[in-house]
Amino acid sequence: DVKVTQSSRYLVKRTGEKVFLECVQDMDHENMFWYRQDPGLGLRLIYFSYDVKMKEKGDIPEGYSVSREKKERFSLILESASTNQTSMYLCASTLKNIQYFGAGTRLSVL
Amino acid sequence: DAKTTQPTSMDCAEGRAANLPCNHSTISGNEYVYWYRQIHSQGPQYIIHGLKNNETNEMASLIITEDRKSSTLILPHATLRDTAVYYCIVKTDSWGKLQFGAGTQVVVTP
Repeated sequence: DVKVTQSSRYLVKRTGEKVFLECVQDMDHENMFWYRQDPGLGLRLIYFSYDVKMKEKGDIPEGYSVSREKKERFSLILESASTNQTSMYLCASTLKNIQYFGAGTRLSVL
Repeated sequence: DAKTTQPTSMDCAEGRAANLPCNHSTISGNEYVYWYRQIHSQGPQYIIHGLKNNETNEMASLIITEDRKSSTLILPHATLRDTAVYYCIVKTDSWGKLQFGAGTQVVVTP
């Protein structure tokens, strides 16, 4: 079974905090993605990575950074959380042209 | 990537087949049709994909018209757990970002 694991299902953070969202896949996938999903706005790509230590900006990278030190782990970092970053965050990785998603992290920034 | 059009919602009786249409009249020859679904508050789940031949797996069947301008996802025996938003996506890139439209809200009733 394809497995993409996100470290938390729900997170509550305060404005200004540094937030780490972790994503791990156990399938030796090269390509990994971070999206956010908001009502009425659909899925928006934040960052993606096609190899270890490689990263590319997506459509909405502002306020975010990423880290991929090992192939199986892709981390999303909110340097200073703001209320407009309250959202559902989805990690995905690709195997044989198919993107598989994690369960999602619902982040609330107060 | 080509745009898709899906009905906003549809109901289906438990145990019956659910036929979900998708229009993609501007599809290019090298674009695949992908189907995903998203159960409330969970990450999207891959269902099936195809290029021009009909496809079947343990979850569903995909019927693509000969001109490839439309397709139908068939859930052969709908269960209550199939209640979800179903997304039809057409894309070229093997690993590029996914863009979900509004999808079809499917409600399976007892």
